[in-house]
Amino acid sequence: DVKVTQSSRYLVKRTGEKVFLECVQDMDHENMFWYRQDPGLGLRLIYFSYDVKMKEKGDIPEGYSVSREKKERFSLILESASTNQTSMYLCASSPWGGTNEKLFFGSGTQLSVL
Amino acid sequence: RKEVEQDPGPFNVPEGATVAFNCTYSNSASQSFFWYRQDCRKEPKLLMSVYSSGNEDGRFTAQLNRASQYISLLIRDSKLSDSATYLCVVSYNNNDMRFGAGTRLTVKP
Repeated sequence: DVKVTQSSRYLVKRTGEKVFLECVQDMDHENMFWYRQDPGLGLRLIYFSYDVKMKEKGDIPEGYSVSREKKERFSLILESASTNQTSMYLCASSPWGGTNEKLFFGSGTQLSVL
Repeated sequence: RKEVEQDPGPFNVPEGATVAFNCTYSNSASQSFFWYRQDCRKEPKLLMSVYSSGNEDGRFTAQLNRASQYISLLIRDSKLSDSATYLCVVSYNNNDMRFGAGTRLTVKP
């Protein structure tokens, strides 16, 4: 079974801190994604990557950056955390190609910015 | 207008009931369609893909209506374990998947 692992389940940070959210997948998937999920808004795509060192902006990239130095690892960085970045963050991966590829999600990181 | 819209519910149904959810999407160029299931405080997991001809998986039936730009999910003989949030997902390509906000279902004894 594919495993997507997010480094923290719960995280509490202060406004202005730099925050790193780590995600690792073990199935050699090319595509990796970061979403945030807020009540009533569903999942919104922050950034995605389809290859090492490649990244593409999603719908809401402002205030975030990403890093993909290795195929299995995709990191989300909050340069200066703000209270409106309090959310559930979900990492996902999928293999390259096709139009019916399944997304595999990590268990999520609930981030609270105080 | 949201790209993918779902009735948030909640739908509260008794065990054994049949329940149906609809989802509408705004982009006619959408290529692929899915239903994901998300349990409370858990990650979403693929329930089923939705094909143009409609498809069935046990008690679950998914249908697509491209002309009217909606997809549906029908659950027959509801079980307590079906209680979850059901997410409608529409994709233009492998890298651009749009999620609805989800429909919450509670099946009661």
